[in-house]
Amino acid sequence: SQQGEEDPQALSIQEGENATMNCSYKTSINNLQWYRQNSGRGLVHLILIRSNEREKHSGRLRVTLDTSKKSSSLLITASRAADTASYFCATDRGNTPLVFGKGTRLSVIA
Amino acid sequence: GAVVSQHPSRVICKSGTSVKIECRSLDFQATTMFWYRQFPKQSLMLMATSNEGSKATYEQGVEKDKFLINHASLTLSTLTVTSAHPEDSSFYICSARDQGQGAWGGTEAFFGQGTRLTVV
Repeated sequence: SQQGEEDPQALSIQEGENATMNCSYKTSINNLQWYRQNSGRGLVHLILIRSNEREKHSGRLRVTLDTSKKSSSLLITASRAADTASYFCATDRGNTPLVFGKGTRLSVIA
Repeated sequence: GAVVSQHPSRVICKSGTSVKIECRSLDFQATTMFWYRQFPKQSLMLMATSNEGSKATYEQGVEKDKFLINHASLTLSTLTVTSAHPEDSSFYICSARDQGQGAWGGTEAFFGQGTRLTVV
């Protein structure tokens, strides 16, 4: 069953702006992961944050995790048209398959 | 990074026929692979967990006889949609984790390119 809930469902921004996506989940986790999916393609892993971490950076990506609130956020800075895609959070409980949220469809307008 | 190859990427079949989708881990071993289904503009729904050398574990509501899964080797899992109907039309995606990193937790998952199935 789906566990993660992302918001917003869709986000449209101008190139150069920052994009923030949020994810909430319901149970304890081992780690939380963010993936990107271009239309009609498979998913690509972006970043993994463990339950004992609060923030992580990778290039233009910044992820936060608040286990007390069971929430995470993904920030993409200085967005580009090529960042247009759907972004999914996925929770990992360590002994079960990844469970994906509903996703945020990001459109970056040049 | 690790690569998972899924084939075919797109298939059109007639109602009543069967379609086989292959998922291969190209540079790592995967005793466990996962099959997901995705409807347009929606998230991935886990269908089943494919286990090498044993029966697959299906999620609630997924018909075992409809979606046959075979995981005959450490690098190959197949999903066969039997007696396909138009409502089976969907995007099917497989994924796996590098067994060397542990089957379950703590690592990223690698995804195939997906298969767009259209049943006419």
